[in-house]
Amino acid sequence: GAGVSQTPSNKVTEKGKYVELRCDPISGHTALYWYRQSLGQGPEFLIYFQGTGAADDSGLPNDRFFAVRPEGSVSTLKIQRTERGDSAVYLCASSDPGRNNEQFFGPGTRLTVL
Amino acid sequence: KQEVTQIPAALSVPEGENLVLNCSFTDSAIYNLQWFRQDPGKGLTSLLLIQSSQREQTSGRLNASLDKSSGRSTLYIAASQPGDSATYLCAAQGMDSNYQLIWGAGTKLIIKP
Repeated sequence: GAGVSQTPSNKVTEKGKYVELRCDPISGHTALYWYRQSLGQGPEFLIYFQGTGAADDSGLPNDRFFAVRPEGSVSTLKIQRTERGDSAVYLCASSDPGRNNEQFFGPGTRLTVL
Repeated sequence: KQEVTQIPAALSVPEGENLVLNCSFTDSAIYNLQWFRQDPGKGLTSLLLIQSSQREQTSGRLNASLDKSSGRSTLYIAASQPGDSATYLCAAQGMDSNYQLIWGAGTKLIIKP
């Protein structure tokens, strides 16, 4: 499809486990963003990629969170030693900085840590 | 530090009414402002994007305005329909190099048939 896709749509895991969340951006979009949204709140910025590099990772809450984008397209958000407080919807967006930088969002991955 | 506020948090109106959703931001140095729609359990759908140099954008029954000097944006919905029921979020994109979006908490809109 032409839009941003994210997999899985839902992930249930146990406290302490490792999870990976995948984002496939719109083809040709060089900028990619990860956000996290808790119930009843607006999304919260996590990390921004321009190409393959993490241009800004200031929103990552701690060192258990890490993200990669090795070929400048697909990105993976990795969470180690998950905690119940990590439960949220993780949203990915991509944009073309050369075209007003409008961000287009994927459907999100709902992560539940038991 | 940019802060974005949306008032009211929830709004319920009868079908057919025109309505206005409000968004305010504290730092006028924005690159653009986007309005999104979010249905329960779903992702975000971009409705309108207003560049910092623009004052309004229109799409169908939706009209969004931007007043940077007062730090305000409004989303006007004409002739509301039950299908418009959703949470509406506004987000300001900063002038910083990362262009991250700073979000309001949203207005939950219910259109009663």
